[in-house]
Amino acid sequence: GDSVTQMEGPVTLSEEAFLTINCTYTATGYPSLFWYVQYPGEGLQLLLKATKADDKGSNKGFEATYRKETTSFHLEKGSVQVSDSAVYFCALNGNTGGFKTIFGAGTRLFVKA
Amino acid sequence: SAVISQKPSRDICQRGTSLTIQCQVDSQVTMMFWYRQQPGQSLTLIATANQGSEATYESGFVIDKFPISRPNLTFSTLTVSNMSPEDSSIYLCSVEDEGSNYGYTFGSGTRLTVV
Repeated sequence: GDSVTQMEGPVTLSEEAFLTINCTYTATGYPSLFWYVQYPGEGLQLLLKATKADDKGSNKGFEATYRKETTSFHLEKGSVQVSDSAVYFCALNGNTGGFKTIFGAGTRLFVKA
Repeated sequence: SAVISQKPSRDICQRGTSLTIQCQVDSQVTMMFWYRQQPGQSLTLIATANQGSEATYESGFVIDKFPISRPNLTFSTLTVSNMSPEDSSIYLCSVEDEGSNYGYTFGSGTRLTVV
């Protein structure tokens, strides 16, 4: 079945450092890919998305490119801030078998001032 | 995108009791989804709720333990029945935004602690 694998955390960075959180997926067909963010004590928020190969999703300085050849959707940000500290979830919707979204395990990011 | 109001935001409950969580959406949606997020874990789909029909439960979840109501296109409830400490989790409702390719909007979650 469909699955999402993302790098284990926690990831600890200093402010203004470059961020990469790796995400790879397994799916039949052509899934849509998402990154969600969960700030402390809150629910999930959609951060960005990509619906087809080579699409780049971007929001709030974060970017991720849908790479079908490597089945990856890595999240990047050029300069992180303390306010980016959160848990980041990679997810896919395979558009098959209903509308079920598969989530990765989540990666916790700590950004130090 | 849709806005979801979920309540309560948190509760501490005695084992053996039940808690009903409510989600109100500011627009009509066909399907609503209920997830569980156990401490330090990712999200697990409990069930999908369509208006006018019984909810569809995922493997490992049953209606007797997690009854769901969906009386109209903007509202749903999830009840956690006969609670035990293992039910301590964050419960989230979610709706699809503008088609499945557009991602999902989530409620702010209900943090449940069972003592």
